[in-house]
Amino acid sequence: QLQLQESGPGLVKPSETLSLTCTVSGGSISSSSYYWGWIRQPPGKGLEWIGSIYYSGSTYYNPSLKSRVTISVDTSKNQFSLKLSSVTAADTAVYYCARQVQGVRGSGTSRWFDPWGQGTLVTVSS
Amino acid sequence: QSVLTQPPSVSAAPGQKVTISCSGSSSNIGNNYVSWYQQLPGTAPKLLIYDNNKRPSGIPDRFSGSKSGTSATLGITGLQTGDEADYYCGTWDSSLRGYVFGTGTKVTVL
Repeated sequence: QLQLQESGPGLVKPSETLSLTCTVSGGSISSSSYYWGWIRQPPGKGLEWIGSIYYSGSTYYNPSLKSRVTISVDTSKNQFSLKLSSVTAADTAVYYCARQVQGVRGSGTSRWFDPWGQGTLVTVSS
Repeated sequence: QSVLTQPPSVSAAPGQKVTISCSGSSSNIGNNYVSWYQQLPGTAPKLLIYDNNKRPSGIPDRFSGSKSGTSATLGITGLQTGDEADYYCGTWDSSLRGYVFGTGTKVTVL
């Protein structure tokens, strides 16, 4: 079955750029049916959607993070990546990658995340 | 700060039923489809409900979802100790042009 795995440094210094990669296995990232997303969760807090990407490279981001976020895709490696610039302690969180399913409905937007990677903790500290 | 409001916690005895509300607005729940996620302690979230009331394969029918106006509800019947977890609602927000999650609800089995 489809599996996603996050990878990247667990410690990033303030003002630097956080970089993570999500490797997809058991299926193709180039499927026309899905987007691929990043979600984060600060310790002891709730979930926050960061942004999503289509295999063609089309992206959309959380407006509150848009100025600092870049999501890219490498279909040859079946991976997509997250870059978050100018990080502060507030960016300390578990970062998850997930497949975003987009339902086709007569009216209204249908989207959900399934499955999710196991998550990786990124701490911002000097 | 989330635009979807959930109660911080709910609790009930084993075998009983709990409901979790998710309150939003016309720009999110009112005009889009809701999903629900279960996050067991120390693990990644898992999809429980999509499109307001549909269950993915493998999710028991003890879990149900509904939507009315600008609110959605997750119901769990026959509560088990293994259901102790945090539960989040989620949906698209047409005004923010982004996906939003609820504040999360901790379910405790007494």
